[in-house]
Amino acid sequence: EAGVVQSPRYKIIEKKQPVAFWCNPISGHNTLYWYRQNLGQGPELLIRYENEEAVDDSQLPKDRFSAERLKGVDSTLKIQPAELGDSAVYLCASSPTSSANIQYFGAGTRLSVL
Amino acid sequence: QKEVEQDPGPLSVPEGAIVSLNCTYSNSAFQYFMWYRQYSRKGPELLMYTYSSGNKEDGRFTAQVDKSSKYISLFIRDSQPSDSATYLCVTGGFKTIFGAGTRLFVKA
Repeated sequence: EAGVVQSPRYKIIEKKQPVAFWCNPISGHNTLYWYRQNLGQGPELLIRYENEEAVDDSQLPKDRFSAERLKGVDSTLKIQPAELGDSAVYLCASSPTSSANIQYFGAGTRLSVL
Repeated sequence: QKEVEQDPGPLSVPEGAIVSLNCTYSNSAFQYFMWYRQYSRKGPELLMYTYSSGNKEDGRFTAQVDKSSKYISLFIRDSQPSDSATYLCVTGGFKTIFGAGTRLFVKA
């Protein structure tokens, strides 16, 4: 079974530029999460989806971040415009309904904003 | 105060040593307790998962939860260089809370 797939793995952009990350969760997993992980820190939740619905986006900086999960499968996370402080690893995870607390993570996208 | 506290390390041990990783949490309502392992430049992967106080063993790994003191431990027996990674203590109820992780180095 394929795991959570994220792309790109690495992205280097200049500040004020837009950037987008893509995530394909494990097949059949209804719950999808986007996290941000700063160096030396644990993942911090940005947004959680149940199917197509964003059920927790309280930590998403909505002035510059947006996310969508069309058709309840793939998801994209966008930053526009990027700031220097957005440099981090962006992780996507998914969970099956049967084990909602257990999250399966992708390898992440490492973003560097110059 | 952070909801989950872990010593960031790094912790360096010789191969074959018994490793003890610990964390504390603040909310007595937290219902589940997990340890994730994260290798460099990889995503976290689930190592251990439990709902209750007491011990849970899986091979060389033992997770221990003490709800009365809000204390979670992970023991690794016969540690191997391949155990070198960051170990994230995770707990929660409605929301999942990740600790900052403890970096472990096992020297051959």
